[in-house]
Amino acid sequence: EVQLLESGGGLVQPGGSLRLSCAASGFTFRNYAMSWVRQAPGKGLEWVSAISESDDRTYYPDSVKGRFTISRDNSKNMLYLQMNSLRAEDTAVYYCAKESDQGSYSHYFDFWGQGTLVTVSS
Amino acid sequence: QSVLTQPPSVSGAPGQRVTISCTGSSSNIGAGYDVHWYQQLPGTAPKLLIFGNSNRPSGVPDRFSGSKSGTSASLAITGLQAEDEADYYCQSYDSSLSGYVFGTGTKVAVL
Repeated sequence: EVQLLESGGGLVQPGGSLRLSCAASGFTFRNYAMSWVRQAPGKGLEWVSAISESDDRTYYPDSVKGRFTISRDNSKNMLYLQMNSLRAEDTAVYYCAKESDQGSYSHYFDFWGQGTLVTVSS
Repeated sequence: QSVLTQPPSVSGAPGQRVTISCTGSSSNIGAGYDVHWYQQLPGTAPKLLIFGNSNRPSGVPDRFSGSKSGTSASLAITGLQAEDEADYYCQSYDSSLSGYVFGTGTKVAVL
């Protein structure tokens, strides 16, 4: 059974930093790309970062580029998100998601964690 | 800003059929990227409902179906049930943004 368990959320002041972790189990972690997706309170879903299977390629939307860093440790089946220079608009539940695909034009998220809440406020 | 547009809400009586549209552009759906759909029950994480435009993962009832045409896609729910009350999101890839994009989300209400 695939399981993704996020941790590391909490209350942080504007301009501060936080590191999220996601522990993966139930599948061969090193064989799959992974992403982080967030959801602000009462709002929709927003993709915030992705990393390739071997950690050599990372991707970000403009909203977090230069502030967030995704990484992984395939030896520990762990995914991370380092968040710096946090803003109030980064307040959201952050989900870890396993990627799957049916070719280069069909990438989707087939399993999600339960999420961890990040609140940026003074 | 979401680049995939969905109606904010749709509703129907039990047993009825409802459809949710997902409108994109030439840099995402119209560029040939597949559309995928997620169901988010209240207070829970999203769950994959449809992948590759029209494929259902194991365990998803065949009451749910998806289609894609041009720059748009649709999710249909037939035989609507109370347990289908949830938020639904479409997702694709946008070549101009070089990233994954989600729809604005649609709340389904069962009357």
